[in-house]
Amino acid sequence: DAMVIQNPRYQVTQFGKPVTLSCSQTLNHNVMYWYQQKSSQAPKLLFHYYDKDFNNEADTPDNFQSRRPNTSFCFLDIRSPGLGDAAMYLCATSSTTDYNEQFFGPGTRLTVL
Amino acid sequence: DQQVKQNSPSLSVQEGRISILNCDYTNSMFDYFLWYKKYPAEGPTFLISISSIKDKNEDGRFTVFLNKSAKHLSLHIVPSQPGDSAVYFCAASASRAGKSTFGDGTTLTVKP
Repeated sequence: DAMVIQNPRYQVTQFGKPVTLSCSQTLNHNVMYWYQQKSSQAPKLLFHYYDKDFNNEADTPDNFQSRRPNTSFCFLDIRSPGLGDAAMYLCATSSTTDYNEQFFGPGTRLTVL
Repeated sequence: DQQVKQNSPSLSVQEGRISILNCDYTNSMFDYFLWYKKYPAEGPTFLISISSIKDKNEDGRFTVFLNKSAKHLSLHIVPSQPGDSAVYFCAASASRAGKSTFGDGTTLTVKP
């Protein structure tokens, strides 16, 4: 089945220690998104790629970076995680024929100690 | 300021009855609206959508109603089933930009 995969599902890191979350997709979608979701809150868009064209949200902290080496993979790098960065990180994709419907991965739960 | 609001954090209904989930938005540029369903330990999955040129869209047990003048949409589930128990997110986007703004979600519990 075509899908969006996120690894790892659970990630524990130490305060200030860089961490990378990964996302892969078999849907061959051009657009990939990274969201941050804190408990009982709306998913918040951090950035998205249209192919290799990177689009950062204005309020995304500089601490968050992303890489998309090819269509299938996208990475979220948190350079110096703080306690406030503990959250669920969701990766999603969409096709250019229907930008609006997004396909989500199961998420990575990040804990910062 | 939140542009998409789901004012009810939770809703509980009996199996077989109607579930009505509400969503309000403030940005008049939004022209496409979606509902996603999320089970625990899974990502949100697309449920149903509506364009601003319509006021109703139906898919099986699920119907979304849009009231543009009130900037309000609602999701009706009839009849509700225990398997519908999940968190429901309302989302809105402008001009097929693909950047959806989400509400905080409503947790629906359908009791047998």
